[in-house]
Amino acid sequence: DVVMTQSPLSLPVTLGQPASISCRSSQSLVSGDGSTYLNWFQQRPGQSPRRLIYQVSNRESGVPDRFSGSGSGTDFTLKISRVEAEDVGVYHCMQGSHWPWTFGQGTKVEIK
Amino acid sequence: EVQLVESGGGLVQPGGSLRLSCAASGFTFSAYWMSWVRQAPGKGLEWVANMNLDGNEKYYVDSVKGRFTISRDNAKNSLYLQMNSLRVEDTAVYYCSRRRGDIWGQGTVVTVSS
Repeated sequence: DVVMTQSPLSLPVTLGQPASISCRSSQSLVSGDGSTYLNWFQQRPGQSPRRLIYQVSNRESGVPDRFSGSGSGTDFTLKISRVEAEDVGVYHCMQGSHWPWTFGQGTKVEIK
Repeated sequence: EVQLVESGGGLVQPGGSLRLSCAASGFTFSAYWMSWVRQAPGKGLEWVANMNLDGNEKYYVDSVKGRFTISRDNAKNSLYLQMNSLRVEDTAVYYCSRRRGDIWGQGTVVTVSS
């Protein structure tokens, strides 16, 4: 199985400051069809996950443009340009290129 | 409104069975791969099973193979997860999800305990 490793696992941030989460995979996420199925999800306390970013860098409709995704191959990053109070929660990376699809451990974002 | 609503969770003894259901609305259910994902208490997410449009391709994570069966009824816009031989470690919130997670339900809680 593809192992997804996120860092850091805990991220205290100051409101208005940037934040960055790294996600590394144990093998390339380029799938057989040439696409890279690396997604980012936000899970606010007590809620279901919500997909923010799909295929590395595509923002879902309605997701603020302060969220951005980048990377390739085995190394990926989610960035929040200016953290707001509503961004508190756990962020999960997920690969959908190789079955079984797998998630990272999750990164807990909290306000300092 | 695009929506997924899970039901069927509950408390069951080890070795028991449960059948989860997911009712879809607001989109053409038969046009999408569908999945079940679970989250154990205080833990991360785990993709459990998924299936293709007409149900002739199914994939399972190793930990549930031979015990869980994913199925769908496109006429009823519904996805199912039959869970047999349940173990304590199957305790989790079970989510229904579309494709690679573009839409999620609110989840249903499964507790396996004696």
